[in-house]
Amino acid sequence: EVQLLESGGGLVQPGGSLRLSCAASGFIFNNYAMTWVRQAPGKGLEWVSAISGSGGSTFYADSVKGRFTISRDNSKNTLFLQMNSLRAEDTAVYYCVKGVPAGGGRDYFDYWGQGTLVTVSS
Amino acid sequence: DIQMTQSPSSLSASVGDRVTITCRASQGISNNLAWFQQKPGKAPKSLIYAASILHTGVPSKFSGSGSGTDFTLTISSLQPEDFATYYCQQYNIYPRVTFGPGTKVDIK
Repeated sequence: EVQLLESGGGLVQPGGSLRLSCAASGFIFNNYAMTWVRQAPGKGLEWVSAISGSGGSTFYADSVKGRFTISRDNSKNTLFLQMNSLRAEDTAVYYCVKGVPAGGGRDYFDYWGQGTLVTVSS
Repeated sequence: DIQMTQSPSSLSASVGDRVTITCRASQGISNNLAWFQQKPGKAPKSLIYAASILHTGVPSKFSGSGSGTDFTLTISSLQPEDFATYYCQQYNIYPRVTFGPGTKVDIK
């Protein structure tokens, strides 16, 4: 059974940092790209960042580029999101999501974690 | 970025109703379209990928269709557990996927 368990969320002041983790199980972790998607309170879903199975390729939304860093430890089946210079508009539930190759260099999503809430406020 | 729109933004329906939600992409995305269901306080659940293929375990009352720019999600007979918000998503431009704004389905 695939499981994705996020942790690391919490309350942080503007300008502060947090590191989110996503512990994966039930599949061969390094075979799959992983993605972070966030959802601000009462709002829709927003793609944040993605990383290839090997960790060699990373991608970021313009809204977080230069402030967030995605990484993974394939020996520990864990995905990370280092968030620096946090802003109020980063307040959201952050989900880690597993991708499935769809061909043509594209992935579709199958499994989602339960999410971890990040609140940026003074 | 590809913009995704959905209509309606919300709808009220009764148990047993047939419900259709429309999703439109700002440019052609072939069939690289997914649908997700989200209940309040819960993570999204993947329903459909490749516009029409149901994920394992998703009941056959859900169906998807479309290609190019116009897509639909249909629930053939709405049940109490189907009241939720539904999102479409394009993954034609991967990994910079984009989601529609959501359609909230509630009880009439």
